[in-house]
Amino acid sequence: AQSVTQLGSHVSVSEGALVLLRCNYSSSVPPYLFWYVQYPNQGLQLLLKYTTGATLVKGINGFEAEFKKSETSFHLTKPSAHMSDAAEYFCAVSDAGGTSYGKLTFGQGTILTVHP
Amino acid sequence: DAGITQSPRYKITETGRQVTLMCHQTWSHSYMFWYRQDLGHGLRLIYYSAAADITDKGEVPDGYVVSRSKTENFPLTLESATRSQTSVYFCASSAVGNYEQYFGPGTRLTVT
Repeated sequence: AQSVTQLGSHVSVSEGALVLLRCNYSSSVPPYLFWYVQYPNQGLQLLLKYTTGATLVKGINGFEAEFKKSETSFHLTKPSAHMSDAAEYFCAVSDAGGTSYGKLTFGQGTILTVHP
Repeated sequence: DAGITQSPRYKITETGRQVTLMCHQTWSHSYMFWYRQDLGHGLRLIYYSAAADITDKGEVPDGYVVSRSKTENFPLTLESATRSQTSVYFCASSAVGNYEQYFGPGTRLTVT
């Protein structure tokens, strides 16, 4: 069984400030972890993913995340927020480590607001 | 154009009616998925398919039916729509061995 908890349904930052979106997961198999971004009235776009190997993964638009097994966390960060980062962000865990289908279990989502 | 498309993008229907949401992908991905998105729940898996004629239930399958006669199509049918099925529905696909899922633009369904 898998689950994902995103701490904070809304996060607000100023333009240029650090972005930190928190994600904790639970998985009975080695986790594959993902962050997706959703802009208004659009589908989900992959930001970055962790499968195996390096625990610090870099994604698009300057985002990165670090897989910490001991803390069961996969927090998303960006050093300097831009107005265009305003969107909803979803953390997800895949069962790919245990089966071949890669079904995703999503967190509840975090809406990021960026103030000028 | 290549990619994953959904139709219709918006649909309003009445309680009790049958509704079919279409999903089409041009990548020949083996795996396809249907999710629903609701406030406070993120996205939840309804059904998934590993290949043509192979489908299985996800987390919230009640009230939905799927079929997959061709690799590129994965329609989702609400046999008798209820207000609780008002939601945004997303289709996704992925290739064997690559667990990154590609999402369609979504269908916003309102059941009155």
